[in-house]
Amino acid sequence: QVQLVESGGDVVQPGTSLRLSCVASGFTFRTSAMHWVRQAPGKGLEWVATTSFDERTKYYADSVKGRFTIYRDNSKDTLYLQMSNVRADDTAIFYCVREIFDSWGQGTLVAVSS
Amino acid sequence: QSVLTQSPSVSGAPGQRVTISCTGSSSNIGAGYDLHWFQQLPGTAPRLLIYANNHRPSGVPDRFSGSKAGTSASLVITGLQAEDEADYYCQSFDSRLSGYVFGTGTKVTVL
Repeated sequence: QVQLVESGGDVVQPGTSLRLSCVASGFTFRTSAMHWVRQAPGKGLEWVATTSFDERTKYYADSVKGRFTIYRDNSKDTLYLQMSNVRADDTAIFYCVREIFDSWGQGTLVAVSS
Repeated sequence: QSVLTQSPSVSGAPGQRVTISCTGSSSNIGAGYDLHWFQQLPGTAPRLLIYANNHRPSGVPDRFSGSKAGTSASLVITGLQAEDEADYYCQSFDSRLSGYVFGTGTKVTVL
């Protein structure tokens, strides 16, 4: 079955960097677009970024554009989110999501605090 | 702020029918992009409930149905059950933002 396992969440200080990872299994990762979606504590869902299967097309939410980078390693079935210059309002659970939003990971928590 | 607006909460007794609305604009729902619905039970990841406006993934009970008209969409739960108590989100693509958008979310309470 499809499985998405995120990791890399941590408590970090404002202005620092962090990289999230998502290891995929149970489907053909190299042909699937992938997304990151986040949810701040007690808040709704917010789409963060999308990459096409070949990384030729990438989309970012305005709130993270210029600070976050989505990329992937198809040889390792792994999706990444490089987060730079993080802010307090980046505090959230980050979910890795498959192409048509039909499969979600369990999420990894990023907490930005001084 | 989200470009897809949902009523904050709806409630109903077991067995009743409830409707959740999702209002967008000409750059998302009205542009013909598919509308999806997600259910999020407390403490869990979201689950795809309805895809492409009105299709149910396997395993989703047929008491859940979706529709879309113009710049709005609706999720209907008929025969409400206690396990349906959750948060529900609509989602689409927005051409003006060049990205995906989620609705503000609706909390369903079973009385």
